[in-house]
Amino acid sequence: EAGVTQFPSHSVIEKGQTVTLRCDPISGHDNLYWYRRVMGKEIKFLLHFVKESKQDESGMPNNRFLAERTGGTYSTLKVQPAELEDSGVYFCASSLSNSPSYEQYFGPGTRLTVT
Amino acid sequence: GEDVEQSLFLSVREGDSSVINCTYTDSSSTYLYWYKQEPGAGLQLLTYIFSNMDMKQDQRLTVLLNKKDKHLSLRIADTQTGDSAIYFCAESMTGGFKTIFGAGTRLFVKA
Repeated sequence: EAGVTQFPSHSVIEKGQTVTLRCDPISGHDNLYWYRRVMGKEIKFLLHFVKESKQDESGMPNNRFLAERTGGTYSTLKVQPAELEDSGVYFCASSLSNSPSYEQYFGPGTRLTVT
Repeated sequence: GEDVEQSLFLSVREGDSSVINCTYTDSSSTYLYWYKQEPGAGLQLLTYIFSNMDMKQDQRLTVLLNKKDKHLSLRIADTQTGDSAIYFCAESMTGGFKTIFGAGTRLFVKA
């Protein structure tokens, strides 16, 4: 069974440009999450989808970030326009709805560098 | 508020025990987790403990939970070079979906 995949693995863009990150969760996982880790700090929650609906987007930093999950399968996270402080590693995770421990399965992350 | 604190680095010799500590602030935490991240890979769940437990043992791993002090620890017995990684402590609330992570402890294992 394939794990969570993320594309691209690395992205280097200039301030003001747009970047779109993609996440493909494990097949059958209704829950999809986006997290961000900046400069070796804590991994911060961004948002949580249940199927195609945003269940909790309390961690989204501002309206330059837009997440979508059309059809309830893969998800995209768009940053427009990118700022220097958006640099970091963006992780995607997925989980089953009926997991007793709410275990989340993580992708390898996308390292975003804004110059 | 929600906050998880960990020390940033730990260095041990191969064969010794490693103890990684974590403190959290939210007393309503339901599950507490330890995730491991190896270079270039995503986070992998190592073990978890439900908040009504004090201890959980799983092969070389022992998790201790002190709810009064809001302190969680992970002990790795007979630490191997393959245990070198970043270890993240995390907590989730009732419902379990939003997970709060610490900054991670980088474990160095010296041969």
